[in-house]
Amino acid sequence: QQQVKQSPQSLIVQKGGISIINCAYENTAFDYFPWYQQFPGKGPALLIAIRPDVSEKKEGRFTISFNKSAKQFSLHIMDSQPGDSATYFCAASLNFGNEKLTFGTGTRLTIIP
Amino acid sequence: EPEVTQTPSHQVTQMGQEVILRCVPISNHLYFYWYRQILGQKVEFLVSFYNNEISEKSEIFDDQFSVERPDGSNFTLKIRSTKLEDSAMYFCASLVRGNTEAFFGQGTRLTVV
Repeated sequence: QQQVKQSPQSLIVQKGGISIINCAYENTAFDYFPWYQQFPGKGPALLIAIRPDVSEKKEGRFTISFNKSAKQFSLHIMDSQPGDSATYFCAASLNFGNEKLTFGTGTRLTIIP
Repeated sequence: EPEVTQTPSHQVTQMGQEVILRCVPISNHLYFYWYRQILGQKVEFLVSFYNNEISEKSEIFDDQFSVERPDGSNFTLKIRSTKLEDSAMYFCASLVRGNTEAFFGQGTRLTVV
């Protein structure tokens, strides 16, 4: 029940296209849903996060869509660029950022010219 | 920009040896975490630490693991007798109470041979 399921495992998108990564969770007590970006050899870095009281959050080219009834949330990267090539992890936690993060399995995103 | 720093970046150790991984969290942060990432897999929670004591630990964090904040700035993870399966990237993270963002260090790659 603590798991966060993420798909796809890998994704190839053309430059300028839209990258979409999906996550699903079981534990309805989760109330904080961040997305982390990780480059090779680096630690995860927070990209964008959402709480379940809103259905969408947008920051620049990055948007989280949140469907509370379906227990799903997704990351959309608009106008994808080669610099976006990285591994993306969704995560969830029980409290407002103070609790441990439960990570999804990760999506390796490759943006091709 | 403040950052979490970890040392060493890479440690090779023989099976059965003790290792200490070091972290310097961001100075005004109060919550500290260790996570690990086995190569190509998801980031997994190990332990959280607040007010000089463990607040939560995962089933991975058995008697071979311990954490300490010896001097008010460093935060260490000790593995008493390393096993081959302890080979992974170990990430330290910290956050301010009430803050949404967990800041991760760049990680220590531990290789047990």
